[in-house]
Amino acid sequence: DAKTTQPPSMDCAEGRAANLPCNHSTISGNEYVYWYRQIHSQGPQYIIHGLKNNETNEMASLIITEDRKSSTLILPHATLRDTAVYYCIVRFFSSGSARQLTFGSGTQLTVLP
Amino acid sequence: DVKVTQSSRYLVKRTGEKVFLECVQDMDHENMFWYRQDPGLGLRLIYFSYDVKMKEKGDIPEGYSVSREKKERFSLILESASTNQTSMYLCASSSRGRGTDEQYFGPGTRLTVT
Repeated sequence: DAKTTQPPSMDCAEGRAANLPCNHSTISGNEYVYWYRQIHSQGPQYIIHGLKNNETNEMASLIITEDRKSSTLILPHATLRDTAVYYCIVRFFSSGSARQLTFGSGTQLTVLP
Repeated sequence: DVKVTQSSRYLVKRTGEKVFLECVQDMDHENMFWYRQDPGLGLRLIYFSYDVKMKEKGDIPEGYSVSREKKERFSLILESASTNQTSMYLCASSSRGRGTDEQYFGPGTRLTVT
């Protein structure tokens, strides 16, 4: 799996968009970008994933650069409940055998009132 | 919304006891997982099941067993609990069609073995 680099922490004002960057310069053509988050003392939560096109769901948008070497997770209107550690993972798609989900150190997003 | 529930949020057991952790998902997912999460060690996969009665070992299966008799339910069993099994236990599920890595987690069970 390609290595990812994320800033250790970010702050965002409540109601504003939170833009969380992730660098994955060694990504290969068939690897997907996945985003998870983990709110303190809770299980991880899947957010979104994508290959090359931008993706949007009810939680967030994922913007992947044309060269695929970086991506940005956008929470359009951050709330206090979005305070969490956000993890960017790069993986080959698999519908078969399980693999351990390995989170790096992630970005601690703090949404400020 | 996918919902994964776990039988307990907090559990305290004594060394040597047999411990059952239950997980139920309501989205008809084929795959179910058990992880433990420890500070500094991240998520570690204990066991995985891709169908009823099927199971595969993860990276740290020693001291654990699992049971999947129904599609929606995946149980983790600690045959004889030890203090080094004190941890946060997380259950997850995923749909084969959407890919193994789009996993939906339960709230976790914080197990303390004394």
